[in-house]
Amino acid sequence: DSGVTQTPKHLITATGQRVTLRCSPRSGDLSVYWYQQSLDQGLQFLIQYYNGEERAKGNILERFSAQQFPDLHSELNLSSLELGDSALYFCASSVGGADTYEQYFGPGTRLTVT
Amino acid sequence: TQLLEQSPQFLSIQEGENLTVYCNSSSVFSSLQWYRQEPGEGPVLLVTVVTGGEVKKLKRLTFQFGDARKDSSLHITAAQPGDTGLYLCAGAGGSARQLTFGSGTQLTVLP
Repeated sequence: DSGVTQTPKHLITATGQRVTLRCSPRSGDLSVYWYQQSLDQGLQFLIQYYNGEERAKGNILERFSAQQFPDLHSELNLSSLELGDSALYFCASSVGGADTYEQYFGPGTRLTVT
Repeated sequence: TQLLEQSPQFLSIQEGENLTVYCNSSSVFSSLQWYRQEPGEGPVLLVTVVTGGEVKKLKRLTFQFGDARKDSSLHITAAQPGDTGLYLCAGAGGSARQLTFGSGTQLTVLP
């Protein structure tokens, strides 16, 4: 158990809908990262928050957004969902903000868009 | 764009055999992390190597960071079915300023 929690574990929704994925980092970690993993794309970095502020942005679509709250939990919002958004979404956390800090991953949310 | 290439992409071996997987890049990283991921679960950090030429051992797993800090290898001795999983390397401290993951090596150890 990494100490990172994610909810829900599974999510099935229809195209065009909006969903919110939730992540709680390990106790003491200030950074939260979101990744998307699909069969053909591997593990893709989406976005990072550090102590409530956006720190780095990767290949995140404009339809996706995230935020980190004062209690350091984070939410990833996915809207106008398309079939191609079906994937595993992982949250990771680390103590510091730089990419050299070790990241600990949550169990993931499996999103299926039908 | 920084890329980490892992080889082989797939590896299927018998229990008790030894194996090596490779992680290569044309870019320099300040550290390199290795993860193992099982189906439907998140990647689990195995080790971080930070010094060029560094070798770290974790029971039957030996990790090496290349002298130039552009490549790394993972050697497993006497593989067991419990070693089955997706092995991912990830480079940190490069020009991308974000953890860059390789495409992974899917290892299957048959009993």
